[in-house]
Amino acid sequence: AQSVTQPDIHITVSEGASLELRCNYSYGATPYLFWYVQSPGQGLQLLLKYFSGDTLVQGIKGFEAEFKRSQSSFNLRKPSVHWSDAAEYFCAVGARQAGTALIFGKGTTLSVSS
Amino acid sequence: ETGVTQTPRHLVMGMTNKKSLKCEQHLGHNAMYWYKQSAKKPLELMFVYSLEERVENNSVPSRFSPECPNSSHLFLHLHTLQPEDSALYLCASSQVGLSDTQYFGPGTRLTVL
Repeated sequence: AQSVTQPDIHITVSEGASLELRCNYSYGATPYLFWYVQSPGQGLQLLLKYFSGDTLVQGIKGFEAEFKRSQSSFNLRKPSVHWSDAAEYFCAVGARQAGTALIFGKGTTLSVSS
Repeated sequence: ETGVTQTPRHLVMGMTNKKSLKCEQHLGHNAMYWYKQSAKKPLELMFVYSLEERVENNSVPSRFSPECPNSSHLFLHLHTLQPEDSALYLCASSQVGLSDTQYFGPGTRLTVL
């Protein structure tokens, strides 16, 4: 079955500290991989995506993610968190086929402490 | 307007009402999607339109009726909803055949009384 697991429901980090959000997926073929961020009352904003090539991808707002095929993981990282990064983060996997749905994880809520 | 817009942003309706949600994309895309986001649950795909044809319908109750009159507009018609239909409804669009990255609107927060 196709699925995305984000094992951490809620994470709190101190401002300036590093961040890693975990994402594991189960998919029958080589997927497209995405990270989205959602601020309260807002839609989803694309942070970054992996389709092929370099397994370390850079995104907006200083985020990066690394695709590890052997571990079926696509973890999101940021070296220094800012208070404005507090939001909910969603990992998603999609088929290499046009017009199909993304499969989302349940999300990780990030809180930033001062 | 840029990106994907949704109106209204908030909607409160009774169980006997009929209302419609509207989505418009300004990205030149040719596929549009409705997702439902409920508390504590992953986003659920409801409908997909690709090149203005419905290509996916994930066992959504008939009280939800989508309409895609052209590649830029998507509607979700609602009638006789239940309180458990209260959720954030998100619209997304993508370009078929070109990475197919989905871009989301801000959502409509629906409350059914």
